[in-house]
Amino acid sequence: EAGVAQSPRYKIIEKRQSVAFWCNPISGHATLYWYQQILGQGPKLLIQFQNNGVVDDSQLPKDRFSAERLKGVDSTLKIQPAKLEDSAVYLCASSLGQLSRRINTEAFFGQGTRLTVV
Amino acid sequence: GENVEQHPSTLSVQEGDSAVIKCTYSDSASNYFPWYKQELGKRPQLIIDIRSNVGEKKDQRIAVTLNKTAKHFSLHITETQPEDSAVYFCAASRGRALTFGSGTRLQVQP
Repeated sequence: EAGVAQSPRYKIIEKRQSVAFWCNPISGHATLYWYQQILGQGPKLLIQFQNNGVVDDSQLPKDRFSAERLKGVDSTLKIQPAKLEDSAVYLCASSLGQLSRRINTEAFFGQGTRLTVV
Repeated sequence: GENVEQHPSTLSVQEGDSAVIKCTYSDSASNYFPWYKQELGKRPQLIIDIRSNVGEKKDQRIAVTLNKTAKHFSLHITETQPEDSAVYFCAASRGRALTFGSGTRLQVQP
């Protein structure tokens, strides 16, 4: 099956500029996640969607980050304006449903977008 | 919220030896515990997972154990090979998104 697609793979911008990342989950996956992975650290959840609704955005810096999932399929994550500390890999993941003991599901990750803010 | 701690941060073993990575979690409601392997510049990939109704799970050279009372779980890799070299992440979930540990860089020396 096709995996989670992300673009672009790499992006270099200056601080205070804007940037957008795109994600296309695996077909049929209702749940979509955006994670931020700073070099040398584990992925940190930014936002979780169930279809086109937000389930958890408690760790999303809403003053500069926004995300949407129109029509419950692909999603975009935007940063405006970017700061130096936003340099990281932004990973998109999807799963069939919410992870639970009654559903044999797992989260599949995309290749990520490596953002460098200079 | 959930907090996952992972140890050690780096682990070097000789080829053929075993490797053990340990994680603890804080949320007693967490019920799903996957392990991901991430090679340099690549996506995290699931290698094994365990749910809270099971104490141990094996898949060839890889096994995971879960102690719900102590809130810790471990990854065991036997007969390590150079291609096992990567960063390994544990994670925990109570049914929603995953909370990840900080990662363990495993180096298998040939």
